[in-house]
Amino acid sequence: DIVLTQSPTTLSVTPGETVSLSCRASHSIGTNLHWYQQKTNESPRLLIKYASQSISGIPSRFSASGSGTDFTLNINNVEFDDVSSYFCQQTQSWPRTFGAGTKLELK
Amino acid sequence: EVQLVESGGGLVQPGRSLKLSCAASGFTFSNYYMAWVRQAPKKGLEWVATISTSGSRTYYPDSVKGRFTISRDNAKSSLYLQMNSLKSEDTATYYCARSGGTYYYPFDYWGQGVMVTVSS
Repeated sequence: DIVLTQSPTTLSVTPGETVSLSCRASHSIGTNLHWYQQKTNESPRLLIKYASQSISGIPSRFSASGSGTDFTLNINNVEFDDVSSYFCQQTQSWPRTFGAGTKLELK
Repeated sequence: EVQLVESGGGLVQPGRSLKLSCAASGFTFSNYYMAWVRQAPKKGLEWVATISTSGSRTYYPDSVKGRFTISRDNAKSSLYLQMNSLKSEDTATYYCARSGGTYYYPFDYWGQGVMVTVSS
């Protein structure tokens, strides 16, 4: 199984900051890596697909990059509305796996 | 507007069965792979099952293989998850999710989720 390791586990930031969240895969997955946002008591929402492709309706302050085993989600000018957990997921192989998530908090 | 509405959750005893349903609307259901994803309380996301557009191919992780069965009815735009031999570790919110028409596609729409509690 492909293991996705996300870091940090928790990130505490000040509104307006720019942050980077990491997701590392145990094996190369090309660009078959996707990012989701989940706010408290809500369903997950697709943020970025195929490592760097934007999704309609997602604010442009969310961007991502990477390929192979190392991936990064960037959030520019963090807003209060960004308080959420962020999960990465791979669709390179079965079983589909998710990272354990990064929880974004505001100071 | 794409909508996925799950139903069928509840409290069930260990070893018993439960069937979840997901009613889809707002898109051509038969063109999309569909999936179930679960989330135990205060935990992360775990993929549970995926089914191909026609239903001819199904995929499961080892944690549910042989106990859970995913199925679909394209005429009714509905997705199902039959869960047998339930265990306490199956307690979670279960989400119905739409995947794409291609093998590598992510889950681009999710339902609101339905809670399943396995306890005596």
